[in-house]
Amino acid sequence: DVKVTQSSRYLVKRTGEKVFLECVQDMDHENMFWYRQDPGLGLRLIYFSYDVKMKEKGDIPEGYSVSREKKERFSLILESASTNQTSMYLCASRAGGATDTQYFGPGTRLTVL
Amino acid sequence: DQQVKQNSPSLSVQEGRISILNCDYTNSMFDYFLWYKKYPAEGPTFLISISSIKDKNEDGRFTVFLNKSAKHLSLHIVPSQPGDSAVYFCAASFNNQGGKLIFGQGTELSVKP
Repeated sequence: DVKVTQSSRYLVKRTGEKVFLECVQDMDHENMFWYRQDPGLGLRLIYFSYDVKMKEKGDIPEGYSVSREKKERFSLILESASTNQTSMYLCASRAGGATDTQYFGPGTRLTVL
Repeated sequence: DQQVKQNSPSLSVQEGRISILNCDYTNSMFDYFLWYKKYPAEGPTFLISISSIKDKNEDGRFTVFLNKSAKHLSLHIVPSQPGDSAVYFCAASFNNQGGKLIFGQGTELSVKP
């Protein structure tokens, strides 16, 4: 079974803080993704990575950065958290085949006060 | 610009009856479509997919239909069970974009006993 884990289920931070969200997968997948889920908007892609040290902007990268130093780990960084970044953050990974499925972690509910 | 749309935020169905969830898309270049299911406080899990070269794919109680001329896909669940109550997301991708998915807004299905 593919396992994608996220470092925290719930997180509360203050405006202006630097926030790190960690994601680890155990299936040697090439591709990893960060999404945020908001009511009425579905899942929106923030950043993704095809391989170690590679990253691509998704649809809403503003205010975020990412790091992928090891294949199994993909980190999402909020340089200076703002209240509009309060959301559910979901990490996913997939192998590199054309029709391979994305496997999701349980999500991190981030609240920025 | 929402390229994948689920226009019904919610759907309520009686146990044993058919559930039909709908999804529309705007980009005719999408070549792969997926449905994900999400329970509260969990990450989405893959349910079923269909390639653009097909018009139907079936897996047990779940069938996905694709109408390319109408840019429409639907998920049929027969018979519906209370455990099917969840949020369902449709997603679309291009084969040459490394599995990047574009999600709809989601439809919350409630199956009543």
